[in-house]
Amino acid sequence: DVKVTQSSRYLVKRTGEKVFLECVQDMDHENMFWYRQDPGLGLRLIYFSYDVKMKEKGDIPEGYSVSREKKERFSLILESASTNQTSMYLCASSFYDEQYFGPGTRLTVT
Amino acid sequence: GNSVTQMEGPVTLSEEAFLTINCTYTATGYPSLFWYVQYPGEGLQLLLKATKADDKGSNKGFEATYRKETTSFHLEKGSVQVSDSAVYFCALSDTTSGTYKYIFGTGTRLKVLA
Repeated sequence: DVKVTQSSRYLVKRTGEKVFLECVQDMDHENMFWYRQDPGLGLRLIYFSYDVKMKEKGDIPEGYSVSREKKERFSLILESASTNQTSMYLCASSFYDEQYFGPGTRLTVT
Repeated sequence: GNSVTQMEGPVTLSEEAFLTINCTYTATGYPSLFWYVQYPGEGLQLLLKATKADDKGSNKGFEATYRKETTSFHLEKGSVQVSDSAVYFCALSDTTSGTYKYIFGTGTRLKVLA
């Protein structure tokens, strides 16, 4: 079975802090994705990566950056957390057109 | 651009009732279509998919048919169980770009009562 793990299930941070969300997959997938999930808005793509050190902006990249130094790991960085970044963050990796999701990190910024 | 529209929830049904969750899409080209399910406190799991017109995806008693003429991919189940209570997401994948990015609907919450 494909396993996608995320570093934390719940996280509470203060406004202005730098926040790192880590995602690891164990299936050697080329593509990895970061989404945020908000009620009534579904999932929105923040960034995705199609290879090591390669990344592309998704639909809502503002206030976020990413890093992919190794194929199995894709990190989402909030440079200076703000309250409007309080959300559920989901990581996924894909084999062709099927995406496999981690359990999510519920981030609260106070 | 591409988009996915799902019926709004919540949908509340009694056990053994028939389920339909509507999903329509707008896309250029020939996307693949998916239904994902999210159980409480978990990430999304692939439920079923269809990759071309008239394909029927099925899994765990759920079915959906890729209808190009009506641009729809409605999810159905003949007899729901309490354990089917979850949020269901319809999605399309742009297979022409090679990146396999998804566009998701907003999700439909299903609650099944015993």
